[in-house]
Amino acid sequence: GQQLNQSPQSMFIQEGEDVSMNCTSSSIFNTWLWYKQDPGEGPVLLIALYKAGELTSNGRLTAQFGITRKDSFLNISASIPSDVGIYFCAGRKDKTSYDKVIFGPGTSLSVIP
Amino acid sequence: DTEVTQTPKHLVMGMTNKKSLKCEQHMGHRAMYWYKQKAKKPPELMFVYSYEKLSINESVPSRFSPECPNSSLLNLHLHALQPEDSALYLCASSLVPTPLFFSRDGYTFGSGTRLTVV
Repeated sequence: GQQLNQSPQSMFIQEGEDVSMNCTSSSIFNTWLWYKQDPGEGPVLLIALYKAGELTSNGRLTAQFGITRKDSFLNISASIPSDVGIYFCAGRKDKTSYDKVIFGPGTSLSVIP
Repeated sequence: DTEVTQTPKHLVMGMTNKKSLKCEQHMGHRAMYWYKQKAKKPPELMFVYSYEKLSINESVPSRFSPECPNSSLLNLHLHALQPEDSALYLCASSLVPTPLFFSRDGYTFGSGTRLTVV
């Protein structure tokens, strides 16, 4: 079946450092989504990407849709303690009749003050 | 209103109990979803409703029974669950994508119901 891989699986960084994580797939996706989930809460959409090569920012977050449409990365600049959480990438094949979003396994981020 | 509201937040039930999870949204979204999430794992799709009709059932056991009584409400009826069904149950909603005009946003998730089966 279709699978997404995320790396790294977990990260421990110092406050103020920049963070980079990525998501890869063996299949082509037409939409890439990045979500953050805090403990005990549902995932919250951070950035959505719709075109190959697209680079989109949301505050300190920047994400890119890979040219091959099989990967995406998320960067966080100048990390702060509230960045702690699990970051999920998700891919979607838009051209089917039904909307199914496939989630990656997640990257757990810990920020040390 | 840009929220998906789930109730209850926490639920403990015995294996012979019958209970229901509720989800509500008033964003005009006509697609609604149930996901199951185990600890440290990604959400797994269970059901998709499109225009109040069940469009996807991801081979979910019959002890989980979804219901969409109207465009704003989604229920998940639970009966004779097993301890391994303990998880965070997430509801989500979105615009309905079609082959020609696809939704340009992701799902909006609720905060979930933490279910424990004893």
